[in-house]
Amino acid sequence: AQTVTQSQPEMSVQEAETVTLSCTYDTSESDYYLFWYKQPPSRQMILVIRQEAYKQQNATENRFSVNFQKAAKSFSLKISDSQLGDAAMYFCAYRVDSNSGYALNFGKGTSLLVTP
Amino acid sequence: EPEVTQTPSHQVTQMGQEVILRCVPISNHLYFYWYRQILGQKVEFLVSFYNNEISEKSEIFDDQFSVERPDGSNFTLKIRSTKLEDSAMYFCASIRTGTYEQYFGPGTRLTVT
Repeated sequence: AQTVTQSQPEMSVQEAETVTLSCTYDTSESDYYLFWYKQPPSRQMILVIRQEAYKQQNATENRFSVNFQKAAKSFSLKISDSQLGDAAMYFCAYRVDSNSGYALNFGKGTSLLVTP
Repeated sequence: EPEVTQTPSHQVTQMGQEVILRCVPISNHLYFYWYRQILGQKVEFLVSFYNNEISEKSEIFDDQFSVERPDGSNFTLKIRSTKLEDSAMYFCASIRTGTYEQYFGPGTRLTVT
């Protein structure tokens, strides 16, 4: 079974600073996708960034970037120039690229606090 | 921009009662999902649905749960006899085949008393 581990239950960052959220996963698959989802207090799940396992280049979306280390099965999220609106729960998720139904497997989440 | 919608936003029910949670996925999407999130915990996969049948389900999705696509737009989750531990946020999601992003609805908060 695939597992997703987020070892940081809570993180804090000052506005305009950079923070890195960690995620590791366990899988025997070679083709898969990794995602970071943001869940603000409204509890809506919002996709932040995705990474295809076959791509060596790390994904980037504006202030959000990932450090994908396939051999180490690590997928960390870096948020640069943190803003108050970044405060939320962040969930790392994994999906196998197969005919299994493409279900997402989530980690337990990291609560990010952004201080002025 | 198209979005997944869910109704109701909050449902309160008594233990043992049946509930139906409703979702309208994005119109050209072909895979549909239900996830749940117990307060303070991670989001857990329940079931995926494709071509009018279940394609995958988790251990949580036991005989008390069922899903249906009764018409061309709605996708429902039924819990036959609710338990206290069914209290959670239930998210519907959909995806277009060959793409990556699962679009989540805003969720239905189910409270079982």
